[in-house]
This record gives sequence, structure tokens and C-alpha cells, in this order.
Amino acid sequence: GAVVSQHPSRVICKSGTSVKIECRSLDFQATTMFWYRQFPKQSLMLMATSNEGSKATYEQGVEKDKFLINHASLTLSTLTVTSAHPEDSSFYICSARNSGSGGYDNEQFFGPGTRLTVL
Amino acid sequence: EDKVVQSPLSLVVHEGDTVTLNCSYEVTNFRSLLWYKQEKKAPTFLFMLTSSGIEKKSGRLSSILDKKELFSILNITATQTGDSAIYLCAEGSARQLTFGSGTQLTVLP
Repeated sequence: GAVVSQHPSRVICKSGTSVKIECRSLDFQATTMFWYRQFPKQSLMLMATSNEGSKATYEQGVEKDKFLINHASLTLSTLTVTSAHPEDSSFYICSARNSGSGGYDNEQFFGPGTRLTVL
Repeated sequence: EDKVVQSPLSLVVHEGDTVTLNCSYEVTNFRSLLWYKQEKKAPTFLFMLTSSGIEKKSGRLSSILDKKELFSILNITATQTGDSAIYLCAEGSARQLTFGSGTQLTVLP
């Protein structure tokens, strides 16, 4: 089946530092990946849509200069939280859409998530 | 703006009970309605519904979609403690998924 990995699974950092989270599709190509944020006891909120080879599309209210997204290849998207602050502490989840044939064209496969804690 | 609303927000039952989770939606160009189960990590896929009135089943879980009334239900029969999780529904347009707030289900032994 389609597998998406995220690294790291957990990160603790000091306020003001930058943190990079990687999202990889392991056995399929993904021209589109999605980044979500989830606060405790809340649902997933879409932050941005990452498109291979072009700029990411950010949702309203998400600062693109703070959450840098790079989708340099068909299997890798990265989210960098720049100058992280305690309010950025959250669970970040990526998903990837299979660009290949077969399956549903809007089917997304989720990574295991990254727990970010900013002290 | 597309909207997905789930109810109840939380539910506590005992093992063996049957539960029904609700999901209503208002979207411009409906494509599909998806159900996910989320435990400690990322959501795991349960069902995808595109047609009205056709029940999808997987073990003790089943789901059905009503495109006229714009809602879906997820049923879990003979609940077990392992069913405790957040259940998310999402509408899948061509561009993205729009998630509801989720229902936190707790099954007590």
C-alpha cells in the first residue's frame, strides 16, 4: 500500500530556532502533498498545499514566511517552521496524493505526524 | 466556504454498545465523503463514500451517505475499548480535504 513517512516524529526546540520536518512518499510519486496542523482535541486544519516544482498554496491565516514549504521532488516535501515560538507547538501531519493511475484521484495518504514542542 | 460538521463532539459508551456518529456537509462541488479513525498518530482511512444509499461495511463498522440531505453516518456495533479514538469525516473535493471537528469516542470496559 501507499506509505508516507515523516521525520522527525518528535522534536523539542528552543524559542527562536527553526525546525525542518520532512514528508516522504515511499512507494509512489506525489505531485501534491498537504500539510496540516492539529492542536489538542481539535481537528486537522489544512495549512498549505505543496506542489512539486512550484510554489505552495497557503490557506488563509497561515504565514508563508513563517512556514516555508519546499517540494523539490516527487517524493519529498519539507515544512520549515522558522523562528518557532511556543504557540507553534502542535502536531504537524503531512499527506500525499498519489499521482499515478488507479485509486481515487483525491485519495490522500497520511504520514504519522510530527509532534513539535517549542520551549 | 465549504463546511463539514460532526456530532456529537464527544461520546462515552460501554463495551458492547452501538454508536452512531454524524457528519453533515455544505460544499460547493461535492466529490466524496471520507471517514478516518485517529488514535495517537495520523488518521487512518476507514471509508470513502460517493453514492447515496450504498452502505459500506468493514467488520463492525459501517457507513452510509445521503446526498439529498447532505449527511453521512458512521455506525459501530458491539463497541470495544480499542474503538476509542477520534473519528473524523472529511469532504474530498478535487483540490483538498475539508475536515470536520471530529467526534471523540471513549469506550469504557
